Amino acid sequence: EPEVTQTPSHQVTQMGQEVILRCVPISNHLYFYWYRQILGQKVEFLVSFYNNEISEKSEIFDDQFSVERPDGSNFTLKIRSTKLEDSAMYFCAGLGRQEDYGYTFGSGTRLTVV
Amino acid sequence: EDQVTQSPEALRLQEGESSSLNCSYTVSGLRGLFWYRQDPGKGPEFLFTLYSAGEEKEKERLKATLTKKESFLHITAPKPEDSATYLCAVRSLNYGQNFVFGPGTRLSVLP
Repeated sequence: EPEVTQTPSHQVTQMGQEVILRCVPISNHLYFYWYRQILGQKVEFLVSFYNNEISEKSEIFDDQFSVERPDGSNFTLKIRSTKLEDSAMYFCAGLGRQEDYGYTFGSGTRLTVV
Repeated sequence: EDQVTQSPEALRLQEGESSSLNCSYTVSGLRGLFWYRQDPGKGPEFLFTLYSAGEEKEKERLKATLTKKESFLHITAPKPEDSATYLCAVRSLNYGQNFVFGPGTRLSVLP
């Protein structure tokens, strides 16, 4: 069964450093998303990406965040200057044409900002 | 503003003891209610989509139902491997393709 692959599985970074989280979506998916989950809290929407541009973003997704899909396969989330409160699990997800199936989520990247 | 709540927050069952999890929602124009299972340290795994009141979906020991204000996930004769957090999410006219997730119900099934 096709999977969404995320790397790294765990990243520790110092406050103020830039991080890039990477995702390889399923090849026939059209819509791509980043969600995050702070420990013990809800899964929260960050951004959606379709046709090589951002289609929607949440209030969380401020100008410290950016996404791109530079080579048509990898989908990345960059945090320019990390803060302690950015520590969370970050999930990449994809959606094909059939919305009935819901998203396919990756296993996540645990980001720890120290 | 769209809201999703789930109850109970946590549930402990003995193996074979059937029960139900609740998801209550307030949305402007429901475009789908989704159930996911999440194991610790993993991404959510899709279970069901429901679109209209009265709809039901089944998969093994799980059955999801939908009314105009809530959804239930019924677990029949659960096994320890059903232990996980069960998440409810809604897609509405307000949010395009995106989901609003509930906080989840943490289910533990004891042998």
